Amino acid sequence: AQSVTQPDARVTVSEGASLQLRCKYSYSATPYLFWYVQYPRQGLQLLLKYYSGDPVVQGVNSFEAEFSKSNSSFHLQKASVHWSDSAVYFCALSMSNYAQGLTFGLGTRVSVFP
Amino acid sequence: DMKVTQMPRYLIKRMGENVLLECGQDMSHETMYWYRQDPGLGLQLIYISYDVDSNSEGDIPKGYRVSRKKREHFSLILDSAKTNQTSVYFCASSLETNTEVFFGKGTRLTVV
Repeated sequence: AQSVTQPDARVTVSEGASLQLRCKYSYSATPYLFWYVQYPRQGLQLLLKYYSGDPVVQGVNSFEAEFSKSNSSFHLQKASVHWSDSAVYFCALSMSNYAQGLTFGLGTRVSVFP
Repeated sequence: DMKVTQMPRYLIKRMGENVLLECGQDMSHETMYWYRQDPGLGLQLIYISYDVDSNSEGDIPKGYRVSRKKREHFSLILDSAKTNQTSVYFCASSLETNTEVFFGKGTRLTVV
């Protein structure tokens, strides 16, 4: 069965600092991978997605992620965070050969302090 | 404006009552989903619908059923609600499976 692991439940970072959120997946084939963000009392919004090709993908609000097949990872990064980036971030996987929705990690809560 | 709309946003029900959660989307998406979100468990797929009257169980379908009679509407029904069904429920849709999924803002259901 497929799975997604986000090893950091909480991350605290200062405004203007860089941010990296880790995501590891388990799946026998190459998955489709996504990062979503959830603001308080809101639904999930897509930040970026990876289907194939260039392992570095750009997303909204200057986020980017890098896919690594050898490491089974899809880490999210941002060079300089703003207080408005405080939210919960979810990594998700979709099986490329079977249509059964998204499998989510448990999320990483990011707190940005001034 | 592309969106998924969920009604109601907040709901309190007594144990044993029936619950209807409604979801609509204005993107003519084929695929729609119901997830629930619980602390420590993340988001779990309850049901997936591939089109009208074409529904499939997700990971945690027990205690739930769904109805999709029009492409733009997808309902989640709890017959005789239980306290362990207290959760935040998210409806979502995508053009096809494996493409970007759009989420509604969620319904916070409390069963007392």
